[in-house]
Amino acid sequence: DAGVTQSPTHLIKTRGQHVTLRCSPISGHKSVSWYQQVLGQGPQFIFQYYEKEERGRGNFPDRFSARQFPNYSSELNVNALLLGDSALYLCASSFPGNTEAFFGQGTRLTVV
Amino acid sequence: DAKTTQPPSMDCAEGRAANLPCNHSTISGNEYVYWYRQIHSQGPQYIIHGLKNNETNEMASLIITEDRKSSTLILPHATLRDTAVYYCIAPGRFDRRFYFGSGTKLNVKP
Repeated sequence: DAGVTQSPTHLIKTRGQHVTLRCSPISGHKSVSWYQQVLGQGPQFIFQYYEKEERGRGNFPDRFSARQFPNYSSELNVNALLLGDSALYLCASSFPGNTEAFFGQGTRLTVV
Repeated sequence: DAKTTQPPSMDCAEGRAANLPCNHSTISGNEYVYWYRQIHSQGPQYIIHGLKNNETNEMASLIITEDRKSSTLILPHATLRDTAVYYCIAPGRFDRRFYFGSGTKLNVKP
């Protein structure tokens, strides 16, 4: 059974550009969350989606947006990229309730 | 949402038990404690979780104090491949967001 898959694995963008990151959850998981991990720090929560609705948002600017599709896959969009957006972006999926979340291997975004 | 505190780093000899502590004094009665680890910027890997009772699986054991204000993750026979950053997390009561903190960097030495 495939785990959480994220694409692309690596990405280089220029300041001011837009980026879209993609996540496919584990089959049967309806909840998807996004995290940003800056080098040397723990992951920080960005968004949570469940049944295609936003259920939580972290302390990130409106340049960050996301959506979840009917097949429960998800996209994270970041507009007007800044150098500080360079990070590992992680996606996690889970069943609802108090069950473990499984993380993908992340997308390494570098903004130059 | 419970905040957790962990020591920034710990050393452990290969083959010995690694005991990683975590304080979560503000945890509420129905909030689980989860442990994850992250090896060299890979995605975090789920290890174990628990509510009140001690838990054990093929990877580790989780000991939660009776007052639930702290817990200890035990890796019974640490190997070099267990070198990683270990995160103790208490997700929000009403959502599934994880607050990772800085974690504990476990160095397993030969």
